[in-house]
Amino acid sequence: NAGVTQTPKFQVLKTGQSMTLQCAQDMNHEYMSWYRQDPGMGLRLIHYSVGAGITDQGEVPNGYNVSRSTTEDFPLRLLSAAPSQTSVYFCASSLLGTGDTDTQYFGPGTRLTVL
Amino acid sequence: GQSLEQPSEVTAVEGAIVQINCTYQTSGFYGLSWYQQHDGGAPTFLSYNGLDGLEETGRFSSFLSRSDSYGYLLLQELQMKDSASYFCAGPGDSNYQLIWGAGTKLIIKP
Repeated sequence: NAGVTQTPKFQVLKTGQSMTLQCAQDMNHEYMSWYRQDPGMGLRLIHYSVGAGITDQGEVPNGYNVSRSTTEDFPLRLLSAAPSQTSVYFCASSLLGTGDTDTQYFGPGTRLTVL
Repeated sequence: GQSLEQPSEVTAVEGAIVQINCTYQTSGFYGLSWYQQHDGGAPTFLSYNGLDGLEETGRFSSFLSRSDSYGYLLLQELQMKDSASYFCAGPGDSNYQLIWGAGTKLIIKP
């Protein structure tokens, strides 16, 4: 049982490049989400999914796309990278997704730098 | 808007007790969660309060007062390994969205 896995762990992009951050979980969780974490700002929700085929926007969705074709995978796409997207990205999953009652399990994070 | 406020930094001595406060403004409040994050690591779940009062889990306790829009995390018998950032989190615009405080960095001195 690997829990939540993310790849890559580190990535450097040039402005304008696109890329996909991968996230997978093997706990059969319905709910998955993507956060970004910037110094002194805590975690901010980018997108989330309550099940395969269902996604929705969080607080800071601009510049990011997601899809959920399987229960296990929830990739995050950066369409055209900008320096403001330099951050640490965390993927999380939980059993049901009822945010305040459901324990969130986090992946190890992807540290992204956009030059 | 919805927000959770925490002190940015708290300093305590090894073996002592420390309290980390969280005050919140959210439209529909159901409960408060606490997470721990070591430097370079991922957040991990510590505690959840769905009702007013105190929840105890080993050396960690968490308290919630919904009438005061206030909660806290209490860490007892502090150990050096407790040096980390601590985040409170609560429901956002929908129950499927969590919003987070900015985190409190706990510094423990020997």
